[in-house]
Amino acid sequence: EVQLVESGGGLVQPGGSLRLSCAASGFSLGNYWMSWVRQAPGKGLEWVANIKEDGSEKNYMNSVRGRFSISRDNAENSLYLQMNSLRAEDTAIYYCARDRYCNAAGCFWRWLAPWGQGTLVTVSS
Amino acid sequence: DIVMTQSPDSLAVSLGERATINCKSSQSVLYSDNNKNYLAWYQQRPGQPPKVLITWASTRESGVPDRFSGSGSGTDFTLTISSLQAEDVAVYYCHQYYGTPLTFGQGTKVEIK
Repeated sequence: EVQLVESGGGLVQPGGSLRLSCAASGFSLGNYWMSWVRQAPGKGLEWVANIKEDGSEKNYMNSVRGRFSISRDNAENSLYLQMNSLRAEDTAIYYCARDRYCNAAGCFWRWLAPWGQGTLVTVSS
Repeated sequence: DIVMTQSPDSLAVSLGERATINCKSSQSVLYSDNNKNYLAWYQQRPGQPPKVLITWASTRESGVPDRFSGSGSGTDFTLTISSLQAEDVAVYYCHQYYGTPLTFGQGTKVEIK
């Protein structure tokens, strides 16, 4: 069964840091781009960042660029999101999700699926 | 950035009646090389992560009831629930995977009238 499990969320003060993890199972992580998506309380879905299957390319939404860093360890089947200089507006459930599929022929854009259950990050003093 | 705009923001439909949600993208998500629309629909029930219902604008995912259907091309898309059931109460999102940044509509909340 394909599964993603996030961890690392919690309460942090403004300006603080947090590192989220996403453990993947049931598929080969090294064949997929991976994304982080967040959802503020009572709000919609907001894509945060994604990373190429080999980690060589990373993309970020404008408001987190320079503060957040996405990384991965395919040998450990894990995805990470290092969040620094956190702000109140970063408060959200953070989901990891499987992104583009890659094989010897190239990478193929696809929808985000599956998603993990999410981990809640609360930025407050 | 491709902006996704859904309408309406919410709707209340009687059990067994049709629900229709619209999604408009600020630029075409139809890729000419393969004639595919890079558009998906998700359902999010309270306390749950999003679940994909429709991909490529009109392909129903395995296990999704056939009362859910997607249509449209280019910039205008529709999700239809042909006969609303109680378990369909949720927020529905459209999502474009044509380009980075990936973007979502603001969501449409579906309730029982």
